[in-house]
Amino acid sequence: NAGVTQTPKFRILKIGQSMTLQCTQDMNHNYMYWYRQDPGMGLKLIYYSVGAGITDKGEVPNGYNVSRSTTEDFPLRLELAAPSQTSVYFCASSTPFRVSYNEQFFGPGTRLTVL
Amino acid sequence: AQKITQTQPGMFVQEKEAVTLDCTYDTSDQSYGLFWYKQPSSGEMIFLIYQGSYDEQNATEGRYSLNFQKARKSANLVISASQLGDSAMYFCAMSGGSARQLTFGSGTQLTVLP
Repeated sequence: NAGVTQTPKFRILKIGQSMTLQCTQDMNHNYMYWYRQDPGMGLKLIYYSVGAGITDKGEVPNGYNVSRSTTEDFPLRLELAAPSQTSVYFCASSTPFRVSYNEQFFGPGTRLTVL
Repeated sequence: AQKITQTQPGMFVQEKEAVTLDCTYDTSDQSYGLFWYKQPSSGEMIFLIYQGSYDEQNATEGRYSLNFQKARKSANLVISASQLGDSAMYFCAMSGGSARQLTFGSGTQLTVLP
């Protein structure tokens, strides 16, 4: 199994441009997440999905959109990129076995710079 | 709302010694999970250890153990016999919410000295 894969690994955008960060998992996990990690900080939740067709906002959703048409894919769309969106973006997936246990499997991350 | 606090931005430890990384949390949930992740300089997130709120015994995974004190709302990570490869950023996290999403602390940068 490849686990969670993310593309691209690196990207530089100009202010106002748009792009889609791709995330795919092959573990048949229902739950998927997008986090961002600013330099020297912990991860913050952007959006999450509990199954195909179901998405919801996390702590920092402004400037982003998501869709979940299949179990495997959970793309993150950046519209009108701003320098504040310079960050490392992690996609994760999981299948919570009980309320308290939710080990999340992370992709390698996408390092995005907006200039 | 859940909150994780890691008060040690940086820690140093001598190789082969033990080190404790602090983590305190706040939640109104009765059932929750606490996790520790390691992030080396290469950037990936590596799961280390998990503790459930109803688990009576402290979790252990090899050289990692979690010192869980529920009344004090602390979940400290203990690394025994530190190795140079343990040098990394360590994050404490808590699961909760409708999608059991993780709330992360700000991390502790551990440096193991030869």
